[in-house]
Amino acid sequence: SAVISQKPSRDICQRGTSLTIQCQVDSQVTMMFWYRQQPGQSLTLIATANQGSEATYESGFVIDKFPISRPNLTFSTLTVSNMSPEDSSIYLCSVEVNSGANVLTFGAGSRLTVL
Amino acid sequence: QKEVEQDPGPLSVPEGAIVSLNCTYSNSAFQYFMWYRQYSRKGPELLMYTYSSGNKEDGRFTAQVDKSSKYISLFIRDSQPSDSATYLCAMEDNQGGKLIFGQGTELSVKP
Repeated sequence: SAVISQKPSRDICQRGTSLTIQCQVDSQVTMMFWYRQQPGQSLTLIATANQGSEATYESGFVIDKFPISRPNLTFSTLTVSNMSPEDSSIYLCSVEVNSGANVLTFGAGSRLTVL
Repeated sequence: QKEVEQDPGPLSVPEGAIVSLNCTYSNSAFQYFMWYRQYSRKGPELLMYTYSSGNKEDGRFTAQVDKSSKYISLFIRDSQPSDSATYLCAMEDNQGGKLIFGQGTELSVKP
């Protein structure tokens, strides 16, 4: 299965700033997914990133707050903009490994703390 | 009502115990059922997945799906301290819908 590298692994940020998370996959993949994992909450899909087109955002998430880039088939970035303490969370990048079922491989995650 | 409900625990058991982890769901269209394991400071990794109803066994792990009751379970036999992790159930319909995760159950197996 694919190996995913994410960075930063963790960061402490000030309110009002923005942070970009990078996701690198060791093989070419069509779709990459960005999830948020808040304490005590389910993994929530933020958006699906396709190479060569705009990302598709889930209800409750908007491009201005979470802009995504997908410049090629192995790389994507998620930016968390104008951060507030409510954005403190783990952000995970994932790719699909089995087209028969939506089986995902995840990166180790980026743990953000906003002060 | 959430689409997928999972008892968040934490659940603490002695080494060697049989562990039962459970999820209930409301969407009868779900066809694929998965269990992910997440160690501390790591991303979730797929443990098992099943299609439709029935049982699936892999070593010490057994996944069970009861679609009539909208209830899925993961059993861990002879639990080990290395099984200590958060276990997340996830499910999907067969129409290309997105994966829906439970909250995760935190399991601690004490030596």
